[in-house]
Amino acid sequence: AQSVTQLGSHVSVSEGALVLLRCNYSSSVPPYLFWYVQYPNQGLQLLLKYTSAATLVKGINGFEAEFKKSETSFHLTKPSAHMSDAAEYFCAVIGYNTGNQFYFGTGTSLTVIP
Amino acid sequence: NAGVTQTPKFRILKIGQSMTLQCTQDMNHNYMYWYRQDPGMGLKLIYYSVGAGITDKGEVPNGYNVSRSTTEDFPLRLELAAPSQTSVYFCASSGLAVGHEQYFGPGTRLTVT
Repeated sequence: AQSVTQLGSHVSVSEGALVLLRCNYSSSVPPYLFWYVQYPNQGLQLLLKYTSAATLVKGINGFEAEFKKSETSFHLTKPSAHMSDAAEYFCAVIGYNTGNQFYFGTGTSLTVIP
Repeated sequence: NAGVTQTPKFRILKIGQSMTLQCTQDMNHNYMYWYRQDPGMGLKLIYYSVGAGITDKGEVPNGYNVSRSTTEDFPLRLELAAPSQTSVYFCASSGLAVGHEQYFGPGTRLTVT
């Protein structure tokens, strides 16, 4: 069965500092992995996805994530945090089941301190 | 394209009332989903559909019903609302290809009192 675990429900960084949001996955087969962002009172928006084409995936708004099979990780990073990055971030893995069901982590709330 | 649209944006229900949350997508996606989001719990799948006329239960289906008569629409019905159904509800859709991302609507915030 597929699942993801997000370490740290709340992360605070200073503006301009590195952003690192952690996601570990569990999958018996090569996974498809996703990061979504949710701004207050909005729906989820796709940041990036891993579909085995390249281990380093670049997404929108300067975010990127690296797939590391040996560590079963797919951590999200951004070199320099901006105030507008404050949001909830969700990692997800697709299940190899009917309907391309996703399994979401519990989310990480990112606060950016000016 | 409007993407995935949901109505209403907000609703307050009394215990025992019923309502339908509407969801429409204009991307001709086969797959559609309903999630609920509770603080600190991530998203839980309620129901999903792989095409018109085909629906199936997700992780938390109790107290809900769905139907899918067209590709575009996937309404969620709450019968006999309970306080435990206070949540934010999101509809999403996806294409057929494995690894296809899901597109989300803006959500419906429901309070049952």
